[in-house]
Amino acid sequence: EVQLVESGGGLVQPGGSLRLSCAASGFTFSTYSMNWVRQAPGKGLEWVSYISSSSNTIYYADSVKGRFTISRDNAKNSLYLQMNSLRAEDTAVYYCARARAAAGSSFDYWGQGSLVTVSS
Amino acid sequence: QSALTQSASVSGSPGQSITISCTGTSSDVGSYNLVSWYQQHPGKAPKLMIYEGTKRPSGVSNRFSGSKSGNTASLTISGLQAEDEADYYCCSYAGTGTFYVFGTGTKVTVL
Repeated sequence: EVQLVESGGGLVQPGGSLRLSCAASGFTFSTYSMNWVRQAPGKGLEWVSYISSSSNTIYYADSVKGRFTISRDNAKNSLYLQMNSLRAEDTAVYYCARARAAAGSSFDYWGQGSLVTVSS
Repeated sequence: QSALTQSASVSGSPGQSITISCTGTSSDVGSYNLVSWYQQHPGKAPKLMIYEGTKRPSGVSNRFSGSKSGNTASLTISGLQAEDEADYYCCSYAGTGTFYVFGTGTKVTVL
């Protein structure tokens, strides 16, 4: 059974940093591209970042470019999102999501989400 | 890159069919057969319902179907059931610049 479990969320002050983790199991993690998608309270979904299976290709949404860094450790079956210079508008539930196939494909499995709250 | 446009809400009675539209541009929906649809119940993670515009993942009911015409994609739910009441989001690949863009979301209510 495919499982994605996020952790690392919490309350952080504006300008602060936080690192999210996503532990993957039930599939060969090293062969799949991964994404982070977020959802602000009461709002819609917003794609945040993409990383290819070998970390060769990385993309970011304009809203987080230069502040967030996606990475992965295939030996540990883990995906990460380092979030710096956090703003109030970054408050959201952050989901890790597996890409079904190649870049541009759908997100076929999602974690349960990790809530990040940016507030003083 | 603006979000894809979806109607805010759609409702129907049990057994009826409803259609949710998702309007983008020639840079996203109109350029790629890579539209996907997600169902999200309150407090839960999204679930993939349709990928590549028309394909259903294993385990998704055949009451869900997808289509596309020009810059607009659509999700049709036939034989509406109480458990279909949820929020639905479309998503399209938008090229290497923007990469992915989601729709604004549609709340489906079963009367």
